[in-house]
Amino acid sequence: AQTVTQSQPEMSVQEAETVTLSCTYDTSESDYYLFWYKQPPSRQMILVIRQEAYKQQNATENRFSVNFQKAAKSFSLKISDSQLGDAAMYFCASNTGANSKLTFGKGITLSVRP
Amino acid sequence: NAGVMQNPRHLVRRRGQEARLRCSPMKGHSHVYWYRQLPEEGLKFMVYLQKENIIDESGMPKERFSAEFPKEGPSILRIQQVVRGDSAAYFCASSSGRRVDTQYFGPGTRLTVL
Repeated sequence: AQTVTQSQPEMSVQEAETVTLSCTYDTSESDYYLFWYKQPPSRQMILVIRQEAYKQQNATENRFSVNFQKAAKSFSLKISDSQLGDAAMYFCASNTGANSKLTFGKGITLSVRP
Repeated sequence: NAGVMQNPRHLVRRRGQEARLRCSPMKGHSHVYWYRQLPEEGLKFMVYLQKENIIDESGMPKERFSAEFPKEGPSILRIQQVVRGDSAAYFCASSSGRRVDTQYFGPGTRLTVL
């Protein structure tokens, strides 16, 4: 079974600054995938970034990047140059690849101060 | 270029009534997942279906809940004799089933049981 833990319920960042959201996970699988999803007030779940566990290189998508520490089972999300539109709930999730369910953390609420 | 579609977006039912939630996957996707989000919680997996088959229903409550994904038409999540505890947001996600796979989410259906 997989577990995903997000221990920080809330964070705040100044516009244009950088913020890091933490996530740890546990799994007995050797092949797995990690995700960050964003849920704005509209409640739509939007994929932010994905990391394949077999890849050593950290994934990057524009202002979003991850710090994947496989030995520590840590998967943090870094948002650079924060924008007001980044304010949302962020969920860390994992699965064991195609055709498998996602396991989500409880989420973290990010607010962006103008 | 429609994404995952869910309807209705909002559904109000009285205790004891039936709720039917519909999900049309993205074009080209034949795998559907249903998740439930209780207030202030992350998403919890319910069921995973492919066309005409239930693949994993390990997250489905044993009673009153059922799901189907017929050969033609949308996937349906059915909740019989709803109770107040069923009030939640229900999300559908679809994927292509390829090895390196991502689940894309619909906007969700918010069920309120009076």
